[in-house]
Amino acid sequence: ETGVTQSPTHLIKTRGQQVTLRCSSQSGHNTVSWYQQALGQGPQFIFQYYREEENGRGNFPPRFSGLQFPNYSSELNVNALELDDSALYLCASSSRDGTYEQYFGPGTRLTVT
Amino acid sequence: QKEVEQDPGPLSVPEGAIVSLNCTYSNSAFQYFMWYRQYSRKGPELLMYTYSSGNKEDGRFTAQVDKSSKYISLFIRDSQPSDSATYLCAMLKAAGNKLTFGGGTRVLVKP
Repeated sequence: ETGVTQSPTHLIKTRGQQVTLRCSSQSGHNTVSWYQQALGQGPQFIFQYYREEENGRGNFPPRFSGLQFPNYSSELNVNALELDDSALYLCASSSRDGTYEQYFGPGTRLTVT
Repeated sequence: QKEVEQDPGPLSVPEGAIVSLNCTYSNSAFQYFMWYRQYSRKGPELLMYTYSSGNKEDGRFTAQVDKSSKYISLFIRDSQPSDSATYLCAMLKAAGNKLTFGGGTRVLVKP
């Protein structure tokens, strides 16, 4: 069984640029959630995708957007990067009827300068 | 006020001691309660989840939920240096999709 994978591992961007982060869900899982974890804090829910549609969104502006593909993999896009976007971005996968069992990937560490 | 509160620590214990962690919450709609372990620069790893109130045991780990007090606990018996990590509690409403996390407690088990 393959776990959740994310790419890239690290990324450095300049304020105002755009970034795309990628996630492959665990085998058998059709739901992907994205979280932002600032240093020293717990993860904050960004949004969730199920059957290629957004299925709930946290308190993040529209410049945070996502996609889910037919193979259940997902992308997180962030436009007009701000310094406060520097964080660890985590992807979690789950089966639709087991959303309480969310399994996380290793994360992508984004630094905005 | 945050929905889920967790003491940031650090909590330092000698090897073999019992580690006691807890979270309090304010939203009575939470029905599922999870504990994650996160090593430095890694993603969170699901340790246990509990539905509603009660206790659950898995090896050296015991999770307790007291919904009347809005208080959850995780106990780690016979702690090992490899247990040194940040422990995150997380909660979910019934039919919900969003995990709400505490800020995490850093634990250090000294040999």
